[in-house]
Amino acid sequence: DAKTTQPPSMDCAEGRAANLPCNHSTISGNEYVYWYRQIHSQGPQYIIHGLKNNETNEMASLIITEDRKSSTLILPHATLRDTAVYYCIVRVQAGGTSYGKLTFGQGTILTVHP
Amino acid sequence: EAQVTQNPRYLITVTGKKLTVTCSQNMNHEYMSWYRQDPGLGLRQIYYSMNVEVTDKGDVPEGYKVSRKEKRNFPLILESPSPNQTSLYFCASSLGGGGNQPQHFGDGTRLSIL
Repeated sequence: DAKTTQPPSMDCAEGRAANLPCNHSTISGNEYVYWYRQIHSQGPQYIIHGLKNNETNEMASLIITEDRKSSTLILPHATLRDTAVYYCIVRVQAGGTSYGKLTFGQGTILTVHP
Repeated sequence: EAQVTQNPRYLITVTGKKLTVTCSQNMNHEYMSWYRQDPGLGLRQIYYSMNVEVTDKGDVPEGYKVSRKEKRNFPLILESPSPNQTSLYFCASSLGGGGNQPQHFGDGTRLSIL
């Protein structure tokens, strides 16, 4: 699976949009971009994923550049409860020894402050 | 409510005393997986299962066993626990193992082996 690069930490004011970047310059055409977050030591929480097109759900939006080498997770109105470690993961479509595996990096620590 | 349930949530035990961590999901998912999380090492996959009676090793399978006799359950077995297995463990499941199938995680089991 392609490697990802994220800033180690970011701050955001409560009520503002949080934009978390991720670089995945070696991504292949059949690899999805996933975002998870982990609050304290709770189980990682699925946020959103996409292949080529931008995606939006009730939690967030995912913007993927046209060349697919980078993406941005957008939390439109951050709250204090969004303080967490956010992981950007590139995941192969299927097959091989990576079947189903999620490879978590160090992620971005997002701190939302009042 | 759709969920992945792990038990116990916390366990302190001694070296060599066999233990089992249970994982159950109510979403009729085919794919299930175990991860361990250690400081500085992120989440690493231990074992996974693509369906009933089909299991395979992940990145760090040594010292662990699994079984998948029913679709909903995927227990993690430590036959002879050792202190280096002290860790935070997560079970995850998804509809399938393909890249377009988000994995959903349990709340975690914190094991301390003395």
